[in-house]
Amino acid sequence: SQTIHQWPATLVQPVGSPLSLECTVEGTSNPNLYWYRQAAGRGLQLLFYSVGIGQISSEVPQNLSASRPQDRQFILSSKKLLLSDSGFYLCAWSVVQASNYGYTFGSGTRLTVV
Amino acid sequence: SQKIEQNSEALNIQEGKTATLTCNYTNYSPAYLQWYRQDPGRGPVFLLLIRENEKEKRKERLKVTFDTTLKQSLFHITASQPADSATYLCALGDSNYQLIWGAGTKLIIKP
Repeated sequence: SQTIHQWPATLVQPVGSPLSLECTVEGTSNPNLYWYRQAAGRGLQLLFYSVGIGQISSEVPQNLSASRPQDRQFILSSKKLLLSDSGFYLCAWSVVQASNYGYTFGSGTRLTVV
Repeated sequence: SQKIEQNSEALNIQEGKTATLTCNYTNYSPAYLQWYRQDPGRGPVFLLLIRENEKEKRKERLKVTFDTTLKQSLFHITASQPADSATYLCALGDSNYQLIWGAGTKLIIKP
């Protein structure tokens, strides 16, 4: 069965420090991968998505970057965190070019920048 | 610009009754619509998908309707239980398989 792993669950980082969040998917090949951020009471904001290794599309210009070094690995990074980067970060995957199934989300990372 | 609206206020329902949540959208012609459940501190969980040419979809105690003329979807939970308490998100998808998300409605089922 397909599973998605996202870690860490919570993270407190000082302003100006780097960030690396990792997401891995098991049980499927060539998935679409997504990074979302969710602010309290707001809808999910798509940050990045990837349709294949090394292929990254950015939806929102910001202080973050993403990479997909392997088919089932998606990494969210920042060189210097800002206070505004605080939030709930979610990784998700979906079947390539098929709308019959929803997205499968990881359990999320609560990032607090202090 | 594209906009999705879900009731921002929490919906309180007595156990055993039917809960109905609304998702309205403007300036968009989705190919399909999805509903998710999200518990506090967790990622959303996919529940149902309905396409633009479908009027209604059912799954156990869940029912979703999709009216492209009214630009509205209704999400029903029959015989509601306290365990159904959560935030429910709707998301619209286009032919490029990208989703636009509503902010969600918090549902509280009281025993």
